Amino acid sequence: AQKVTQAQTEISVVEKEDVTLDCVYETRDTTYYLFWYKQPPSGELVFLIRRNSFDEQNEISGRYSWNFQKSTSSFNFTITASQVVDSAVYFCALSESNAGNMLTFGGGTRLMVKP
Amino acid sequence: DSGVTQTPKHLITATGQRVTLRCSPRSGDLSVYWYQQSLDQGLQFLIQYYNGEERAKGNILERFSAQQFPDLHSELNLSSLELGDSALYFCASSTSRRGGSYNEQFFGPGTRLTVL
Repeated sequence: AQKVTQAQTEISVVEKEDVTLDCVYETRDTTYYLFWYKQPPSGELVFLIRRNSFDEQNEISGRYSWNFQKSTSSFNFTITASQVVDSAVYFCALSESNAGNMLTFGGGTRLMVKP
Repeated sequence: DSGVTQTPKHLITATGQRVTLRCSPRSGDLSVYWYQQSLDQGLQFLIQYYNGEERAKGNILERFSAQQFPDLHSELNLSSLELGDSALYFCASSTSRRGGSYNEQFFGPGTRLTVL
């Protein structure tokens, strides 16, 4: 069965610090997809990134970067030079190709960026 | 704005009652997914419909049911409500096809259900 673990339940940083959110997953499937979603205080879920299991290239988008390592079943998310607007709950999610595209979410990491 | 709409935004009801949550997917999306976010269970998948047919089922209670109509909007029906059903219910849509490549799910703003 698929499982996603976000061991950090809450992280607090000061603005401009870099912060890494950890995500470890379990799956028996060889084809799967990994995601990060952001949930700001307003409650909506905002899609950030999708990565498939065959693409281990790291990705950078502005201040955001993602590190996918199949060897350790991890898909970590780094925010560089954090800002107060980054304060939110961040969810890592997994979808197996044989599971009808349903998403299995981790428990989320609450990030608080203080000015 | 994801393009997915959900109504109502908030719903307050009593135990034992029945409610219907409505979702309109993004234009062109054939798949609709329902998720429940509660303090106890976190974010969990309930059910998926693709072009009117049930595609996948998660931890959905028997008291809950869903359907997708010909115009592709979907409704989630919750009956015999209990206090523990209080949660944020999300609908998401995607263009994912049966057996096709994955497309990301875009989430609606959610319906917050409070059962008193």
